[in-house]
Amino acid sequence: DARVTQTPRHKVTEMGQEVTMRCQPILGHNTVFWYRQTMMQGLELLAYFRNRAPLDDSGMPKDRFSAEMPDATLATLKIQPSEPRDSAVYFCASVRGAITDTQYFGPGTRLTVL
Amino acid sequence: GIQVEQSPPDLILQEGANSTLRCNFSDSVNNLQWFHQNPWGQLINLFYIPSGTKQNGRLSATTVATERYSLLYISSSQTTDSGVYFCAVNINDMRFGAGTRLTVKP
Repeated sequence: DARVTQTPRHKVTEMGQEVTMRCQPILGHNTVFWYRQTMMQGLELLAYFRNRAPLDDSGMPKDRFSAEMPDATLATLKIQPSEPRDSAVYFCASVRGAITDTQYFGPGTRLTVL
Repeated sequence: GIQVEQSPPDLILQEGANSTLRCNFSDSVNNLQWFHQNPWGQLINLFYIPSGTKQNGRLSATTVATERYSLLYISSSQTTDSGVYFCAVNINDMRFGAGTRLTVKP
């Protein structure tokens, strides 16, 4: 049963600390999306990659956020330094082919920054 | 930026009933998608539908791009349909609506 995995599932950290969230897309999927969900802002698209290359990261605060795909089986989202307003659930999703194909979501990482 | 409005914000149904959820958007879009988030937080991508009609089992969606709206139909609703339904549109960036929270009672 192929699925997208995300680690950690929960993270509590203090303001100013670096946070790294990881996503393992479904094997063979070549496009990965990062989303953020908060009560105030709702769902937002942060960035997406195709064949490991960033296609769009316009939704991501550039000063503290960075997203990479070191290899086809791992996508990372880093926040440095973290702030309380970064508290949210971060989802990744992967797609097998075209960006318009069905996205398969991971369970999310719930981040709390104190 | 583009505005995305979903209605109704909340909907309560009895199992077996049909429902229609609406997504209005303020500008022409390149694509439109529907998502479902279940009560445990899991997101599912239901449809990619920039125009026309698609069906998947008891769910179907229609987008009338020229009139800037999309509809999601749920027929013979089941308790497992409960959750929040989001539409998202894309021009230069992706914008989500605030969602419709659906509760299906047994």
